[in-house]
Amino acid sequence: GAVVSQHPSWVICKSGTSVKIECRSLDFQATTMFWYRQFPKQSLMLMATSNEGSKATYEQGVEKDKFLINHASLTLSTLTVTSAHPEDSSFYICSASDGAQAEQYFGPGTRLTVT
Amino acid sequence: QKEVEQDPGPLSVPEGAIVSLNCTYSNSAFQYFMWYRQYSRKGPELLMYTYSSGNKEDGRFTAQVDKSSKYISLFIRDSQPSDSATYLCAMTLTDSWGKFQFGAGTQVVVTP
Repeated sequence: GAVVSQHPSWVICKSGTSVKIECRSLDFQATTMFWYRQFPKQSLMLMATSNEGSKATYEQGVEKDKFLINHASLTLSTLTVTSAHPEDSSFYICSASDGAQAEQYFGPGTRLTVT
Repeated sequence: QKEVEQDPGPLSVPEGAIVSLNCTYSNSAFQYFMWYRQYSRKGPELLMYTYSSGNKEDGRFTAQVDKSSKYISLFIRDSQPSDSATYLCAMTLTDSWGKFQFGAGTQVVVTP
């Protein structure tokens, strides 16, 4: 149980375009989903927290207009990187929680490369 | 100073040895402590989850929390080459479900 999927697993896009990443909880209802970014050999950095049906809460320094998060249902959250630039190239990982306890279940990650 | 400190390694051990990992933290309010395993280019996988101080054992894995010293440990017995991965510690407050603070991760290499 507690499986989280992400799509796509990797994507290459040109600078200035937008990319959407999906995060799905497959066998539980995710009241809260989290989006992280991880640079090579570094730890996960929380970007934002989203609750179903509410606006996402962004961490300090994360541009909400650049990283659009939508959590429209209890099983799906999307992260859209708008007007992507090469410095946005990173490994983006989502996680989900059913709210009952402190555990988070992570997706497999999406590797974004902006050329 | 980071809230959670973790030696990045790499930590190299021979197969069958005990792997000893640890994290220190500065915020005494942390109550939940987790250990995740992350293989290269994959998402983290939850290994152990403990609340407050004490020990917890699950198969070859033992997690210890010493809140008085703000120090947590993970031990892997009878290590296998398949245990080669990066191990991340994470912790959170009781009133901020899900807002984890992660350590930088320790890369572990188990050699046959």
